[in-house]
Amino acid sequence: EVQLVQSGAEVKKPGESLKISCEVSGHSFSIYWIGWVRQMPGKGLEWMGIISPVDSDTRYSPSFQGQVNISVDKSISTAYLQWSSLKASDTAMYYCARLYYGSGSRYMDVWGKGTTVTVSS
Amino acid sequence: QSVLTQPPSASGTPGQRVTISCSGSSSNIGSNYVYWYQQLPGTAPKLLIYRNNQRPSGVPDRFSGSKSGTSASLAISGLRSEDEADYYCAAWDDSLSAANWVFGGGTKLTVL
Repeated sequence: EVQLVQSGAEVKKPGESLKISCEVSGHSFSIYWIGWVRQMPGKGLEWMGIISPVDSDTRYSPSFQGQVNISVDKSISTAYLQWSSLKASDTAMYYCARLYYGSGSRYMDVWGKGTTVTVSS
Repeated sequence: QSVLTQPPSASGTPGQRVTISCSGSSSNIGSNYVYWYQQLPGTAPKLLIYRNNQRPSGVPDRFSGSKSGTSASLAISGLRSEDEADYYCAAWDDSLSAANWVFGGGTKLTVL
């Protein structure tokens, strides 16, 4: 069974840095890209970007380009989402998801349970 | 403002059939597959429909998807109380130099 296990909830102050993780098990990590999705409190889903575990090729949504950094560590089958200087507006739930590829289509099929990030002074 | 447009809310009584629409453009729905996700309260999204009308294993056949031109719909028949959730459509969008995944704004389904 494919599982994406995300790191625990975080409470940070504005200006602090943060790196949250998403560990993948149940399939070969190198096969599928991993995506990140933001959900602000009471709001909808927003696609942030995707990364290839093979060569770390990364595609960002224009809304998040330059705001976050997505990375992977193949040796431990883990993807990361990182901020260098958090803002209160980064307060949200963050989900990682596997980007399945098959029959000419790509889509997020298996999701992690999410990591809550709270940024407050 | 979401690239894909969904009604913010929908409702129905148990046993009824409800549909949720998703409107896009030629650069997303018009030229790519549509996907639907169900998000139960306090949980992560779950894939409900892929490639316009395909159901993953374990999704009841009460759920069905369709697409026509630049619009898509999710239909739920035999509505049940456990269907009360937020539903999101999604698709790839090719309007920029690189493809971007876009979501609809979500539709909150209430079972009366």
